[in-house]
Amino acid sequence: AQSVTQLDSHVSVSEGTPVLLRCNYSSSYSPSLFWYVQHPNKGLQLLLKYTSAATLVKGINGFEAEFKKSETSFHLTKPSAHMSDAAEYFCVVTLLAGGYNKLIFGAGTRLAVHP
Amino acid sequence: DTEVTQTPKHLVMGMTNKKSLKCEQHMGHRAMYWYKQKAKKPPELMFVYSYEKLSINESVPSRFSPECPNSSLLNLHLHALQPEDSALYLCASSQDQWENRAGYTFGSGTRLTVV
Repeated sequence: AQSVTQLDSHVSVSEGTPVLLRCNYSSSYSPSLFWYVQHPNKGLQLLLKYTSAATLVKGINGFEAEFKKSETSFHLTKPSAHMSDAAEYFCVVTLLAGGYNKLIFGAGTRLAVHP
Repeated sequence: DTEVTQTPKHLVMGMTNKKSLKCEQHMGHRAMYWYKQKAKKPPELMFVYSYEKLSINESVPSRFSPECPNSSLLNLHLHALQPEDSALYLCASSQDQWENRAGYTFGSGTRLTVV
C-alpha cells in the first residue's frame, strides 16, 4: 500500500543556507510523487512532481527533488533559503484505489527561515 | 486560466445557519474535490466529483451536501454545523479522476468558523 513519511515535522534554517526536507515513500508500483507548499491561511501550491521521467526534478522558486528508488526517498532541497520560503510543505504520493487516483499526504514539515 | 477560485475566503456561521461554499475552475478539468483541513494537519478528502457526478463520499456527515451544477462549478452546502467543523475547506481539480501525473490544482480555501 502507498504511504508517505515526512521525517521532520519542523525544520529551521537561516536565510541563505541550504534547505533539506526529507520524504520517504512506500509504493507497490512505480509512483507519482509531488511536493506541495502551503503558506499560512492559503491553499496548496504544486512545487514539483516526479512521474517516472528524470529522477532529478526541478520545480518553482529554486526547489529541486531527487527520486531515489533504492532508498524510496524523494527529498526536497533548495541551495539558499529565502524568508518567503517559510511555510508548510507536504510530500504526496498517488494511490489508485476505489476507481480513482487518491492523493496520500505526508504529515507535513513546517519550515522556518530566520534572518 | 490555471486557477481554482473559491468564495468566500472567510465565513462565520451559527450552528442553525445554512450557507454554501463555491468553487470554480475553467481549465477543462473533469474531476473536482472537496477537502477539509484542520490546523497543523494535512488535508482530508471529503468528496470527489467526476464528470459532474458524485464519485466518492468519504463517509462525510449529511450536514455537508455537495453539488456540481456543471463541469466548472462545485458547491458545498452547509447546514446545522458543529463547532468542530471549523476548518479550512479546500477545493481542487484534476484532468480526471484517474489522473496521477499532473497533480491537482488547489484553490486558496474558505476559512470556516462555526460559532
